[in-house]
Amino acid sequence: GNSVTQMEGPVTLSEEAFLTINCTYTATGYPSLFWYVQYPGEGLQLLLKATKADDKGSNKGFEATYRKETTSFHLEKGSVQVSDSAVYFCALFNDYKLSFGAGTTVTVRA
Amino acid sequence: GAGVSQSPSNKVTEKGKDVELRCDPISGHTALYWYRQSLGQGLEFLIYFQGNSAPDKSGLPSDRFSAERTGGSVSTLTIQRTQQEDSAVYLCASSLPPPFSTDTQYFGPGTRLTVL
Repeated sequence: GNSVTQMEGPVTLSEEAFLTINCTYTATGYPSLFWYVQYPGEGLQLLLKATKADDKGSNKGFEATYRKETTSFHLEKGSVQVSDSAVYFCALFNDYKLSFGAGTTVTVRA
Repeated sequence: GAGVSQSPSNKVTEKGKDVELRCDPISGHTALYWYRQSLGQGLEFLIYFQGNSAPDKSGLPSDRFSAERTGGSVSTLTIQRTQQEDSAVYLCASSLPPPFSTDTQYFGPGTRLTVL
């Protein structure tokens, strides 16, 4: 079956710190991989995606690379801001549906 | 410019009552999904509609849950005889038809259901 395991939080960082959130997956075939973000009081928003091995998705300073050999899609940002405080979800698309990780709550302090 | 819309935004009901949740997808999106976000279970797939094909109902947790999609657009998720464990945020998403990016789903703001 399809499953996603992501780093448990919560994660608390200072502004300008480096952020990594680990994500690994199990899937049959060749899924697309996503990071979604949920800001406080808001709905789920697509942050970035990658559709095949070695693709790198990027948006708003965040990056993630589709690593088939390690079945991973870790999210990174070099210098976080207070506005990056949110819950981050790793997800895969396979069998016409998304399977999500449990979410990682990130808090950035000024 | 419309994204996915859902109504109501909040619903409080008593245990045993039926509820209907509505989703209006992005115009031109032929695929429509329902998910549930709850504290204990995280984000779970419920049901998937694609055009006029039979829906994939494999994620519905019990036969109290059903969904319809009329005219290939608006969808209604119905929960009969609600239970307290049904309390959650119900999310709707839609995506483009093939050959476009069918894997990229756009989510609505959700309906927060509270069963007392």
